[in-house]
Amino acid sequence: EIVLTQSPGTLSLSPGERATLSCRASQSVTSSYLAWYQQKAGQAPRLLIYEVSRRATGIPDRFSGSGSGTDFTLTISRLEPEDFAVYYCHHYGSSPRTFGQGTKVEIK
Amino acid sequence: EVQLVESGGGLFKPGGSLRLSCAASGFNFSAYTMNWVRQTPGKGLQWVSFITSSGNYIDSAGSVRGRFTISRDNAKNSLYLQMNNLRAEDTAVYYCAKGGGSNSWLIDYWGQGTPVTVSS
Repeated sequence: EIVLTQSPGTLSLSPGERATLSCRASQSVTSSYLAWYQQKAGQAPRLLIYEVSRRATGIPDRFSGSGSGTDFTLTISRLEPEDFAVYYCHHYGSSPRTFGQGTKVEIK
Repeated sequence: EVQLVESGGGLFKPGGSLRLSCAASGFNFSAYTMNWVRQTPGKGLQWVSFITSSGNYIDSAGSVRGRFTISRDNAKNSLYLQMNNLRAEDTAVYYCAKGGGSNSWLIDYWGQGTPVTVSS
């Protein structure tokens, strides 16, 4: 089983600042099948990024993904008020699929 | 617009059974893989089960294998999760989640979830 470890647990930033979220896998992620989801309180997760760096439909270009092998990053270039939420990384290239424990991006 | 509406959650006793349902609309249901994913405050998001578009391949997490069974009825645009021999640790919000293609393991849309509580 691939264990995904996200850091930091909480990121306190102001609107307009850059957010950098990390996801580290316990072994190499198959075929770059790594995704990022955003979840707001009381809502279902929403797909942001798939295959490491491809933005999902309707996702603004301030969201970008990068990385390879075992180290991945989600970057939000300039935080908008609606971006304060919890973010999860997820590998889906092998079974069992797993999720990271999440990074909360909160308003400073 | 993709819509996934789960139902069937509630309060159940350990050792009991239930069946979750998911009504899908807004896309060609029979052309996409589907999943169940659960979420708890303590363990976060946990993938539960996966089924291909035709239903000919199924995969499940080890913690539920032999107790939970995923199935689908493409004629009714519906996904199901039969949950048997319930345990307290199955308490969670259960999400129905759409795959990215006929054999894709990517999850691209989620329902709003249905809560399941297992307690005596």
